[in-house]
Amino acid sequence: DGGITQSPKYLFRKEGQNVTLSCEQNLNHDAMYWYRQDPGQGLRLIYYSQIVNDFQKGDIAEGYSVSREKKESFPLTVTSAQKNPTAFYLCASSTGLAGMFGEQFFGPGTRLTVL
Amino acid sequence: LAKTTQPISMDSYEGQEVNITCSHNNIATNDYITWYQQFPSQGPRFIIQGYKTKVTNEVASLFIPADRKSSTLSLPRVSLSDTAVYYCLVGSGNTPLVFGKGTRLSVIA
Repeated sequence: DGGITQSPKYLFRKEGQNVTLSCEQNLNHDAMYWYRQDPGQGLRLIYYSQIVNDFQKGDIAEGYSVSREKKESFPLTVTSAQKNPTAFYLCASSTGLAGMFGEQFFGPGTRLTVL
Repeated sequence: LAKTTQPISMDSYEGQEVNITCSHNNIATNDYITWYQQFPSQGPRFIIQGYKTKVTNEVASLFIPADRKSSTLSLPRVSLSDTAVYYCLVGSGNTPLVFGKGTRLSVIA
């Protein structure tokens, strides 16, 4: 089955720790994205990547880092510099940047809680 | 990026048609209009996309007037399972789409 997987589903972190959220897709999509969603709010773009070894900052990149070493994978690291990391994190992919190439496919999300 | 404005929330009874209108006054010539649906604790799901006039698929219709400054998502005969947040997005293939706060639709039995 083609799709996007994210792991883990729930993640607990102590303050001061870095954590990495996994995102894998087997849809052969070029573009991948990371979003953050806080309760009752819309999605905010953290980082996106159009091709391997290239990525751009979104609206709220501070305190986060990404890599795109393989087309299928786009891991997100939440660093200790992110002051309020507790949120729901969503990964997505699309053929292009999704404006006119149809849909973005989203993973099931990772809920991160800082203890 | 074209900014979108949509109602914060809407209520509807089961079996009714629901129309959610989105304003995008500064839409660019090469921008497309896309709608997504999101259930709690899940990622958004693509519903429909259009450029002008009317687009229809198995779940919804999208009406776009000639000036393209607004669009209306139409959901026929909603059920309780249509309770969700609906996002209107406008953009081209040059930059990522921006998700606003969306419209929270509550379907009542």
